[in-house]
Amino acid sequence: AQSVTQPDIHITVSEGASLELRCNYSYGATPYLFWYVQSPGQGLQLLLKYFSGDTLVQGIKGFEAEFKRSQSSFNLRKPSVHWSDAAEYFCAGLFGSSASKIIFGSGTRLSIRP
Amino acid sequence: DVKVTQSSRYLVKRTGEKVFLECVQDMDHENMFWYRQDPGLGLRLIYFSYDVKMKEKGDIPEGYSVSREKKERFSLILESASTNQTSMYLCASSPPGTLNNEQFFGPGTRLTVL
Repeated sequence: AQSVTQPDIHITVSEGASLELRCNYSYGATPYLFWYVQSPGQGLQLLLKYFSGDTLVQGIKGFEAEFKRSQSSFNLRKPSVHWSDAAEYFCAGLFGSSASKIIFGSGTRLSIRP
Repeated sequence: DVKVTQSSRYLVKRTGEKVFLECVQDMDHENMFWYRQDPGLGLRLIYFSYDVKMKEKGDIPEGYSVSREKKERFSLILESASTNQTSMYLCASSPPGTLNNEQFFGPGTRLTVL
């Protein structure tokens, strides 16, 4: 069965430090992959998405993600985090060209240390 | 910009009450979704709809029903609310077609059932 796994429930990084949030998927082919962010009390906002082509994807707010087929991963990165990046981050996948449902990971909560 | 609105941000109901959660989108999207979000579980799909008067069960439909009488409106109904339905409920919409299946989310309704 297809699945999306975010192994880190909660991560704390210092302001100005680099960030990497992990995401792994289980699927026999290449899925469509997304990263969403949810600020406290808000709905989800799309950061970036990968469908095909260049495996390094640029998103909004200075985020990027790299698709690695060999590792079944789609990790989210940011070179220098800001206090406003504190939020919950969800990785999600759409599996198959006729798929209709996005499968979400369980989320990673990011805290920023001043 | 796509806008997805939900009728209430916070709702408190009693066990056994019938509860209606309303969602409206203004971008003429065919697809609409209802999720519940619980800590450590991420987003779980309750129901979705591809078109007016059409509905499909998601992963956790038990205890819920939906209604889509108009394209822009998708209602989630708790026929007899129970305490285990206390949760954050998120509505989303998306245009048709796999490559455009980015979902746009509303701000969420935090429902407490006493």
